[in-house]
Amino acid sequence: DVKVTQSSRYLVKRTGEKVFLECVQDMDHENMFWYRQDPGLGLRLIYFSYDVKMKEKGDIPEGYSVSREKKERFSLILESASTNQTSMYLCASSHQRAPNTEAFFGQGTRLTVV
Amino acid sequence: GESVGLHLPTLSVQEGDNSIINCAYSNSASDYFIWYKQESGKGPQFIIDIRSNMDKRQGQRVTVLLNKTVKHLSLQIAATQPGDSAVYFCAENIWNSGYALNFGKGTSLLVTP
Repeated sequence: DVKVTQSSRYLVKRTGEKVFLECVQDMDHENMFWYRQDPGLGLRLIYFSYDVKMKEKGDIPEGYSVSREKKERFSLILESASTNQTSMYLCASSHQRAPNTEAFFGQGTRLTVV
Repeated sequence: GESVGLHLPTLSVQEGDNSIINCAYSNSASDYFIWYKQESGKGPQFIIDIRSNMDKRQGQRVTVLLNKTVKHLSLQIAATQPGDSAVYFCAENIWNSGYALNFGKGTSLLVTP
């Protein structure tokens, strides 16, 4: 089975802290994604990556950065956490094969910034 | 960007009835669609997908219908069970514009005994 693992289920951080959310997939997928999920807003794409060391901005990249040093690992970084970044964060991965393919999701990290 | 939206935010059905969850999309270039199910405390899980060259696809107890004329997608669940209670998301993608999926806001399905 495809497995996408996020390092933490729950995190509580203070305003201004630098926060790292880690995601690892074990299916040799080329694509990896970070989404944010808020009630009534669905899933919104923050950043994605098509390959190692490559990254692309999604719809809401402000306040976030990402790192992909290895194919299996994609990290989301909150440079200076703010209370409006309190949310559920979902990592996903998919194969890079045409024309399209589904994304597989991790279990999510619920981040609270106080 | 283009939006993918849902007609109803919540849906309550009785156990054993059929459920229909609807989704509208606005980008006529969208050519791949997926339905995901998200149970409480879990990440979204793939249910079924459909490509734009099809108008119907069936899985186990689920059917997805695609009407490209009116840009509408629906998920039908037959003989709904309590385990079907979850939030359902439709997602779209445009081939050759990247591999990221664009998600709708979700519909909460509640199955009552």
